[in-house]
Amino acid sequence: KQEVTQIPAALSVPEGENLVLNCSFTDSAIYNLQWFRQDPGKGLTSLLLIQSSQREQTSGRLNASLDKSSGRSTLYIAASQPGDSATYLCAGPQAGANNLFFGTGTRLTVIP
Amino acid sequence: NAGVMQNPRHLVRRRGQEARLRCSPMKGHSHVYWYRQLPEEGLKFMVYLQKENIIDESGMPKERFSAEFPKEGPSILRIQQVVRGDSAAYFCASSPPSGEKLFFGSGTQLSVL
Repeated sequence: KQEVTQIPAALSVPEGENLVLNCSFTDSAIYNLQWFRQDPGKGLTSLLLIQSSQREQTSGRLNASLDKSSGRSTLYIAASQPGDSATYLCAGPQAGANNLFFGTGTRLTVIP
Repeated sequence: NAGVMQNPRHLVRRRGQEARLRCSPMKGHSHVYWYRQLPEEGLKFMVYLQKENIIDESGMPKERFSAEFPKEGPSILRIQQVVRGDSAAYFCASSPPSGEKLFFGSGTQLSVL
């Protein structure tokens, strides 16, 4: 069974700082990994999807990497803004299945 | 193209009542997934359905919970005889047949009094 872990659980940074969120998974047969954003009381917004054949994906100020051999993914946020404050979740499927296993998330606060 | 639609947004039930949560997938999506998020916890997979079929219900509690995705109409997550521990946010996601990327609805917040 796929297990996904995220560290740190919470992070506070001043506006403008670059930051990295970490995600680790146990099943290296993962065929993709998704990063989501969740605002308080809201649903999930998909940020980036990395296929197993890819090493990284970029969207604006966000860059996600995937290293299957080490069971790790990182989400890099450049020049953080207060609007980036949210909980960031990573999720990956179990081999042979479509459903996703989620980490418990990193709660990010960007201080103006 | 409307996103995944869930209703109601908030649902309040008393202990022992039934809760019905609805999910309409994105147009063209034939796969539906239900997840539950307890306070201060991550999302936990409950069930994965395709039209008229339950593919994986390994995350569903054995009693009181059921799900369906009929040929016509939305997917329904049904909780019978609700208890306080059922209070949570229930999220639905859908995906196209390739199943690679999931799109989530805004969730239904169930509160059991």
